[in-house]
Amino acid sequence: QSVLTQPPSASGTPGQRVTISCSGSSSNIGSNPVNWYQHLPGTAPKLLIYSNNQRPSGVPDRFSGSKSGTSASLAISGLQSEDEADYYCAAWDDSLNGVFGGGTKLTVL
Amino acid sequence: EVQLVQSGAEVKKPGESLKISCKASGYSFTNYWIGWVRQMPGKGLEWVGIIYSGDSETRYSPSFQGQVTISVDKSISTAYLQWSSLKASDTAMYYCARLLRYCSGGSCYYFDYWGQGTLVTVSS
Repeated sequence: QSVLTQPPSASGTPGQRVTISCSGSSSNIGSNPVNWYQHLPGTAPKLLIYSNNQRPSGVPDRFSGSKSGTSASLAISGLQSEDEADYYCAAWDDSLNGVFGGGTKLTVL
Repeated sequence: EVQLVQSGAEVKKPGESLKISCKASGYSFTNYWIGWVRQMPGKGLEWVGIIYSGDSETRYSPSFQGQVTISVDKSISTAYLQWSSLKASDTAMYYCARLLRYCSGGSCYYFDYWGQGTLVTVSS
């Protein structure tokens, strides 16, 4: 059971907009920024969003993040086949360590 | 260029000990935290723990406290994850990653560079 809760799966067709939610508590998301990672099979995870809604250089603006209270969301617009991957939210916890969500497997139909 | 290069895949028996490594290059090793992340077969990412390479301050996630040991050797810019007695449930891919602090105050961190992963298989 992960500290942060994500839906196990999500799907969409090319060009659609999909959102992935991440629910936490006052000790993590409620008091610290949220990061999102994309994980393709056989590769190392890649930072997609940091500080709730900031994109590192090189990440397309199709990817966006938001946070409200103890929940956060990742939105992907203009869905492409190469977006098929596992997505993880992460946040710092007041226990002075980090926590991940359980991950969401995104399927592009 | 920042690189984290992990040691190769391991196959061990239950009860054996193991130490896997993560060699860093391309940055000032002692100025950053290094973290370890586990991914069990078919499962998600789990935060194992982190170590500050400058003074070896270590923080473990509750699930891993007492189960593994994280250490560094500053002289060779290498971080380690070790087990004293492996269990079949330790079978997983383990990633090391550099933790970057992107603000001057508060808990604002993210993993910016990752190793390629080390597959640990524990089977009798």
